[in-house]
Amino acid sequence: KAGVTQTPRYLIKTRGQQVTLSCSPISGHRSVSWYQQTPGQGLQFLFEYFSETQRNKGNFPGRFSGRQFSNSRSEMNVSTLELGDSALYLCASSLNPTAGGGEKLFFGSGTQLSVL
Amino acid sequence: AQSVTQLDSHVSVSEGTPVLLRCNYSSSYSPSLFWYVQHPNKGLQLLLKYTSAATLVKGINGFEAEFKKSETSFHLTKPSAHMSDAAEYFCVVSSSGTYKYIFGTGTRLKVLA
Repeated sequence: KAGVTQTPRYLIKTRGQQVTLSCSPISGHRSVSWYQQTPGQGLQFLFEYFSETQRNKGNFPGRFSGRQFSNSRSEMNVSTLELGDSALYLCASSLNPTAGGGEKLFFGSGTQLSVL
Repeated sequence: AQSVTQLDSHVSVSEGTPVLLRCNYSSSYSPSLFWYVQHPNKGLQLLLKYTSAATLVKGINGFEAEFKKSETSFHLTKPSAHMSDAAEYFCVVSSSGTYKYIFGTGTRLKVLA
């Protein structure tokens, strides 16, 4: 079974541009969540989607948005990029999410975004 | 509200000696707790998880963690460190109804030959 696939692996953008990152979850997984990882802030939760619905959102500005398609693939978009958006963006999928919070997350290798 | 605190940002041990990575948590509800490991340029891999079944949880690669409610702790241990254990380790808490996982700031483990 293929793991979580994130594309592209690396991205270089300039300030003011926008970017779209893609995540394909493990087959059968319906929940996809996104995290931003930086040396200073660690791993921070961006948002979580299940069956095309955003169920939870972290404390990020509206420039960060996402969506999930009917095949569970997800994209996140960052508009009007700032230097501080440079980070590793990680996507995680899970099999059978419940309100219990105990689901195992499977992570992709991430997209390394550099904003110049 | 949930939070998790990893008490050490860096830990160095000699190969063959025990490993202790410390984690304290705060949660308004019954928490689920996890430890993940991240090797350089890789995604995160689950080591183990606690979801109230047993307080001592065994994971992969010889790691285990003990849930102590009275101390709100979930420390990760391994009896004997191996060079391949050098990585960054994250303690994670999640609570019922949130669909949200809160990560600690990470502990970088260095294993000396």
